[in-house]
Amino acid sequence: DVVMTQTPPSLSVAIGQSVSISCKSSQSLVYSDGKTYLHWLLQSPGQSPKLLIYQVSNLGSGVPDRFSGTGSQKDFTLKISRVEAEDLGVYYCVQATHFPYTFGAGTKLELK
Amino acid sequence: QVQLKESGPGLVQPSRTLSLTCTVSGFSLTSYGVSWVRQPPGKGLEWIAAIWSGGSTDYNSALKSRLSISRDTSKSQVLLKMNSLQTEDTAMYFCARGGYFDFWGPGTMVTVSS
Repeated sequence: DVVMTQTPPSLSVAIGQSVSISCKSSQSLVYSDGKTYLHWLLQSPGQSPKLLIYQVSNLGSGVPDRFSGTGSQKDFTLKISRVEAEDLGVYYCVQATHFPYTFGAGTKLELK
Repeated sequence: QVQLKESGPGLVQPSRTLSLTCTVSGFSLTSYGVSWVRQPPGKGLEWIAAIWSGGSTDYNSALKSRLSISRDTSKSQVLLKMNSLQTEDTAMYFCARGGYFDFWGPGTMVTVSS
């Protein structure tokens, strides 16, 4: 199975600060069609996860452009510019290139 | 609008079989797949299985021998069965649309206990 390693496990931030979360996979996530099926989700407290970014860098519907994703092959980054209170929660990367799909362990974003 | 909603028994005895239903609206099961994902209390997410728009299925290899996923397109429902339940299967069970996970249900809590 593909192992997804997310760092850091937690982040303490002030409102308005920018942060980055890293996600590294044990195998390349480039599929045979040339696309990379690496997505980012946010699970706010007590809520279901919500799609933020799909295929590395594409914003999900209604997601503010403070969120951005970059990366390729095995190394990916989620950046949040100007953190707002509504951004707090646990961020997960997930790979949907290889079966079984696998998630990172999560990064908990908290207020400083 | 797109909606998914999970339903299940809540409490299941060890060694019994769990049956969960995901009822969808706002999209067709013949156009989109549905995945099941679970989350033990206080822990991370685990992908369990998926059924795709053409009816093909995929399973988490670690759970495959205990799983069955199917659908009833006339009812817009996806069914998940898991047998030989153990306490470590206690979790919130979510269904989500496809492999992009772009829409999620609210989840249904399953507790395995005698």
